[in-house]
Amino acid sequence: ETGVTQTPRHLVMGMTNKKSLKCEQHLGHNAMYWYKQSAKKPLELMFVYNFKEQTENNSVPSRFSPECPNSSHLFLHLHTLQPEDSALYLCASSQESSGGVQETQYFGPGTRLLVL
Amino acid sequence: AQSVTQLDSHVSVSEGTPVLLRCNYSSSYSPSLFWYVQHPNKGLQLLLKYTSAATLVKGINGFEAEFKKSETSFHLTKPSAHMSDAAEYFCVVSDRGSGNTPLVFGKGTRLSVIA
Repeated sequence: ETGVTQTPRHLVMGMTNKKSLKCEQHLGHNAMYWYKQSAKKPLELMFVYNFKEQTENNSVPSRFSPECPNSSHLFLHLHTLQPEDSALYLCASSQESSGGVQETQYFGPGTRLLVL
Repeated sequence: AQSVTQLDSHVSVSEGTPVLLRCNYSSSYSPSLFWYVQHPNKGLQLLLKYTSAATLVKGINGFEAEFKKSETSFHLTKPSAHMSDAAEYFCVVSDRGSGNTPLVFGKGTRLSVIA
């Protein structure tokens, strides 16, 4: 399934590094999302972009910085991360309407991040 | 505000026997409800969704779920488990009619299928 792609698939970084995660959706959707999936915890919504505007930031630390240059691409810039930030980071997209109905989200395969 | 509880963190069944994964939800409005599946090292894939049409929803791979408002439940079932069904399953709720509210995910149920 190639509707939503994420790169890299795996990333190991030190606490002083700067890296970026990339997400691309090929579905023509107008909304994109970043989620964090940690072991034994529910999926946590981090950021939402609707029509390229950030509409949600769930109290995410500033060491995570999202960027949405257009409706097909979403980045997550990482700097000075902590070991507890190690997790699977999932990107998703959906086609949102103004009717208040939450549409189906389509997920990428995720980036497995390890912070040493 | 909405929430979702998956009652079992792990379910184990024998191949060919029925599957039941339980989910209860809480919602202030009419909810949309989803089941997603995640295979190892993969992203989440939509199995089925309920948005106010028929209360019995059929999904992919023979799965179905029934919306029961009186019980605030949306349990996932399959008549006969297959080895390829072994995965993590997530029940998800979203309030409809309250703006563009985000999805709220349950903690997941890991399904093991024994040969």
